[in-house]
Amino acid sequence: DAGVIQSPRHEVTEMGQEVTLRCKPISGHDYLFWYRQTMMRGLELLIYFNNNVPIDDSGMPEDRFSAKMPNASFSTLKIQPSEPRDSAVYFCASSLIRGHEQYFGPGTRLTVT
Amino acid sequence: DQQVKQNSPSLSVQEGRISILNCDYTNSMFDYFLWYKKYPAEGPTFLISISSIKDKNEDGRFTVFLNKSAKHLSLHIVPSQPGDSAVYFCAARVNTGTASKLTFGTGTRLQVTL
Repeated sequence: DAGVIQSPRHEVTEMGQEVTLRCKPISGHDYLFWYRQTMMRGLELLIYFNNNVPIDDSGMPEDRFSAKMPNASFSTLKIQPSEPRDSAVYFCASSLIRGHEQYFGPGTRLTVT
Repeated sequence: DQQVKQNSPSLSVQEGRISILNCDYTNSMFDYFLWYKKYPAEGPTFLISISSIKDKNEDGRFTVFLNKSAKHLSLHIVPSQPGDSAVYFCAARVNTGTASKLTFGTGTRLQVTL
């Protein structure tokens, strides 16, 4: 299996622009998680899905952030409008069993100038 | 409020010696603990885990110890190897029945020197 796939790997954008991050989970996994990693807060869970349905979005920082999972093999995390404080590495992960071992993608490094 | 804390941002250990990474938590509802390892430009990878009903779990060179009364867990790596140099994240899970998510610490960067 190819593992969790994320694109793009790097994104540099100007403040105010819309940013879309993409994730393809491991085939057969029914849980998908979006995390953000910063130096100060480590890995923070933003939102997670079960069978394409959002279960908990309490970690989404603001209304500027939104996530969708239109089917079992694709999810997006969108930031509109982006701000410099959104600069971080965003990870997608998937799993079979809730809360147990999660498989992470390589991450998208977002820089907002 | 950081429910999972890794108070040492970095650790340096000589090759062949023991590495001990520590993690403290505050939520007594955590029922499962995991350690993840992360290399630069890669996502975290699962390393080892322990259920709250156990106090020790061993997998090769890696052992995790859990002290529930102290709300403390540690990861021991022995012997340490240069390839172990990475950032290690401690994570904990609350199983509420309807929602289950991992809470991560901020990570400890381990450097294994020759």
